[in-house]
Amino acid sequence: DGGITQSPKYLFRKEGQNVTLSCEQNLNHDAMYWYRQDPGQGLRLIYYSQIVNDFQKGDIAEGYSVSREKKESFPLTVTSAQKNPTAFYLCASSPLGQPGNTIYFGEGSWLTVV
Amino acid sequence: DQQVKQNSPSLSVQEGRISILNCDYTNSMFDYFLWYKKYPAEGPTFLISISSIKDKNEDGRFTVFLNKSAKHLSLHIVPSQPGDSAVYFCAARPDSGNTPLVFGKGTRLSVIA
Repeated sequence: DGGITQSPKYLFRKEGQNVTLSCEQNLNHDAMYWYRQDPGQGLRLIYYSQIVNDFQKGDIAEGYSVSREKKESFPLTVTSAQKNPTAFYLCASSPLGQPGNTIYFGEGSWLTVV
Repeated sequence: DQQVKQNSPSLSVQEGRISILNCDYTNSMFDYFLWYKKYPAEGPTFLISISSIKDKNEDGRFTVFLNKSAKHLSLHIVPSQPGDSAVYFCAARPDSGNTPLVFGKGTRLSVIA
């Protein structure tokens, strides 16, 4: 089945630790995105990438890092510099070039700091 | 500065009646608008979209209306069903397809049986 796979679904992080959330897509989409959802805050863009080995900061990139070594993969690392990392993280992908392009989301990953 | 605003955090509607979810935007460069539906602990799913060259787009029970001069769009669900209970996000982008979507904060719809 084509789609976007995020793992793990639930992740607990201790203070001061870095953690990496995985995102893989087999839709052959050029663009990939990471969003964060907090209660009452909607979906806020962390990072996005439109081509391998290139990515851009979104609105809330501080404390996060990404890589795009393969077209299918866009992992997100939540570093210890992110002061409030507890949230629901959503990975998405889309084709490029047409304004009507829909973005498709994965099932999300819950990160909790303990 | 919020470019896409959904001013109603929640809405309750009786089953069978119409649900109207509203969205306002401030960026005049936005040319394409989408609605997503989200259940708890799941990723959002695409519902319906509209281009700025249209003022209405319909898909089954869902209709989106766009008033470009007022920078306002609305999603109508008729008739509303209990399974429609979810959070609905409005999203927008300029006319290129290469810019990330900007999302509103969402409206939680509850359809009461």
